[in-house]
Amino acid sequence: AQSVAQPEDQVNVAEGNPLTVKCTYSVSGNPYLFWYVQYPNRGLQFLLKYITGDNLVKGSYGFEAEFNKSQTSFHLKKPSALVSDSALYFCAVRDLLRGYQKVTFGTGTKLQVIP
Amino acid sequence: DTEVTQTPKHLVMGMTNKKSLKCEQHMGHRAMYWYKQKAKKPPELMFVYSYEKLSINESVPSRFSPECPNSSLLNLHLHALQPEDSALYLCASSQMTGSSYEQYFGPGTRLTVT
Repeated sequence: AQSVAQPEDQVNVAEGNPLTVKCTYSVSGNPYLFWYVQYPNRGLQFLLKYITGDNLVKGSYGFEAEFNKSQTSFHLKKPSALVSDSALYFCAVRDLLRGYQKVTFGTGTKLQVIP
Repeated sequence: DTEVTQTPKHLVMGMTNKKSLKCEQHMGHRAMYWYKQKAKKPPELMFVYSYEKLSINESVPSRFSPECPNSSLLNLHLHALQPEDSALYLCASSQMTGSSYEQYFGPGTRLTVT
C-alpha cells in the first residue's frame, strides 16, 4: 500500500518568514501526491498536486511543493508566511483499494504562524 | 464550481435516534466518499461510491448506512449510534478518469451522540 509520513506534529514560524512543512512518501510505481489544508471546524481544501512533470508544483494561496524523487519527499513551502496560514496541513497519496482509487492521508502537521 | 455542500452543519442525536446526513456536488464527479474525522487526526475513509454503486466499505458498523440516490447526492443514514461515533463527518467527491484525482471536500457535519 502507498503511504506518506509527516514527521512534525507542529511547525512554528514567524510571520513573513519562509515556511516548510515536510512530507515523505513510500509508493510502488509513480506517485500521485497531494497537499490539503484544514482550517478549524472546516473541511479539507485542496492546495496542490504532483502527478508528473516539473518537480516544483505551484498551488493555491501562494503555496508550492517540491517533489524530490531521490529523497522520496514532497515538502510544502511558502516564501512568506501569513498569520492566516495557521491551520492543519495534510499530505496525501493516491492509492488503489480493490481496484478503486482512494487517498491515504498523513497524520497532519499543525502550522502556527506567530505575528 | 468546486463546491461540495453538506447538511446539517451540526447534529446532536441520542443513541436511539435515526438521522441522516446529506451531501451534494454538481461538478460531474462520479466518485463520492464518506470520511470520519476525530479531532486533530486525519480523515478515515468509511465508504466509496463509484458511478452510484458502493465500491468500498471499510468495515464500517451497520449502524451507518450509506445511500447514493443519483450522481450528485450522497446520504449517510445513522441509527443507534454510540457516543464514540461523535466526530466530524466529511463528504468528498472526485473524478474517476483522467489525471484529476484530487478530492474536493465539503465543510462537514459535526455529530455529537449523547
